[in-house]
Amino acid sequence: GQNIDQPTEMTATEGAIVQINCTYQTSGFNGLFWYQQHAGEAPTFLSYNVLDGLEEKGRFSSFLSRSKGYSYLLLKELQMKDSASYLCALPNAGNNRKLIWGLGTSLAVNP
Amino acid sequence: NAGVTQTPKFRILKIGQSMTLQCTQDMNHNYMYWYRQDPGMGLKLIYYSVGAGITDKGEVPNGYNVSRSTTEDFPLRLELAAPSQTSVYFCASSSGLAVPDTQYFGPGTRLTVL
Repeated sequence: GQNIDQPTEMTATEGAIVQINCTYQTSGFNGLFWYQQHAGEAPTFLSYNVLDGLEEKGRFSSFLSRSKGYSYLLLKELQMKDSASYLCALPNAGNNRKLIWGLGTSLAVNP
Repeated sequence: NAGVTQTPKFRILKIGQSMTLQCTQDMNHNYMYWYRQDPGMGLKLIYYSVGAGITDKGEVPNGYNVSRSTTEDFPLRLELAAPSQTSVYFCASSSGLAVPDTQYFGPGTRLTVL
């Protein structure tokens, strides 16, 4: 089977760095997605990792360790607009056109 | 490009009523998806389609129907609405050219069944 675990909530301070973790179990790994979802809005794509290591995209970076079943999203120089839910998702091992979604981590950025 | 559009944005239904949620994409994507999102429950796949004329069930298909007569449109039909169908419904699409593929979401329809 497949399973995704993420912390439910996190808080951080404007200008700081925050790391949002995602651990997963899967019978067949085919990459991991991160999406951002602001309250009342649709999810938007942030990153896709299929190889181990860190991928940087401006203030946001995503890390993957396939051997540990672990990924994290690193947000630097936090801004108030980064307050959102961050969703981790895996392609379904039986049909990788479909995604299995974590419950998301709700991040609150305080001034 | 408008991307993925959904109508209506909000709707209130009475128990037993029916309605169709509309979804259209202008990116010429082959794959389209319908999700529902409930508080604390994450995104659940209702139905998906890999092309015109081809649809398949997701995790939670009961109480819903879909059709895909064109590449652009993927309507979701609710028959005999029930309070358990109160949710936010998202339509998404992906090109189908890569495996796996990035999904792009519409703005959502907020449905309340009373």
